[in-house]
Amino acid sequence: QLQLQESGPGLVKPSETLSLTCTVSGGSISSTSYYWGWIRQPPGKGLEWIGSISYGGSTYYSPSLKSRVTISVDTSKNQFSLKVTSVTAADTAVYYCARQSSSGGAFDIWGQGTMVTVS
Amino acid sequence: SYELTQPPSVSVSPGQTASITCSGDKLGNKYACWYQQKPGQSPVLVIYQDTKRPSGIPERFSGSNSGNTATLTISGTQAMDEADYYCQAWDSSTHVVFGGGTKLTVL
Repeated sequence: QLQLQESGPGLVKPSETLSLTCTVSGGSISSTSYYWGWIRQPPGKGLEWIGSISYGGSTYYSPSLKSRVTISVDTSKNQFSLKVTSVTAADTAVYYCARQSSSGGAFDIWGQGTMVTVS
Repeated sequence: SYELTQPPSVSVSPGQTASITCSGDKLGNKYACWYQQKPGQSPVLVIYQDTKRPSGIPERFSGSNSGNTATLTISGTQAMDEADYYCQAWDSSTHVVFGGGTKLTVL
C-alpha cells in the first residue's frame, strides 16, 4: 500500500528557506500516471495548492507562490522535495504531500501532514 | 486568477440529503473533485473526475459538474459524515484550484 511521509524542520525563522521532503513507500515514484504535489493548510483555514511535479521533473506551480517555490524529485530515493524562500508568518501551515492523478488532477493519497511554524 | 466558491456551512438532519455546491467560471469544462476532512486528519478524496467514487467511499456520496457549478450530494447523511468538504478543479491551464471549504453539520 502506497504511503507518503513528510519530513523537515517544524520551526523556520522569518526570511529563511523552508525545506521539506516527502518519502514515498510501498510503490515507485516513477510513473507516468501520477504527479506528486504539495498542499498547505494554515491553522483554521482552507487548503492551498503549492505545486506539483512529474517523475521526469516537469513542474507546475501556484501563480501566487511561483516566485518563491521550488519542487524537485529524486527518483533514486523515491522522494520529492519542497523549498519555499523568504518565508513569513503567513507561511505557517500544515504542509501535506500527496499523489496526484495525471488524468483529472485529483489527489488520491495524502501524507499525514507536518506543521511548520515561521517564527 | 481562477476562483471556486463554496458556501461556508451546510446543515442537514440525519438520514436526509446534503448538497454542497462549488461555483466557478465554466467549471463544467474542467474536472472537479471533492475531499472530506475531519478535524486533525488529512483530506480524503471522495469524488474524482466529476462523478467517480474511489474504492472504499460509500455509495451515498455522489457528484455532478455542469455549467458553472459542481455539486457533492450525500444521500442518507450519517453523523460520521460531519466534516469539512473541499472542492478542487483541474485543467491543463489553471492546474489546481481549491474552493474555500464547507463545514457540514449533521444535526
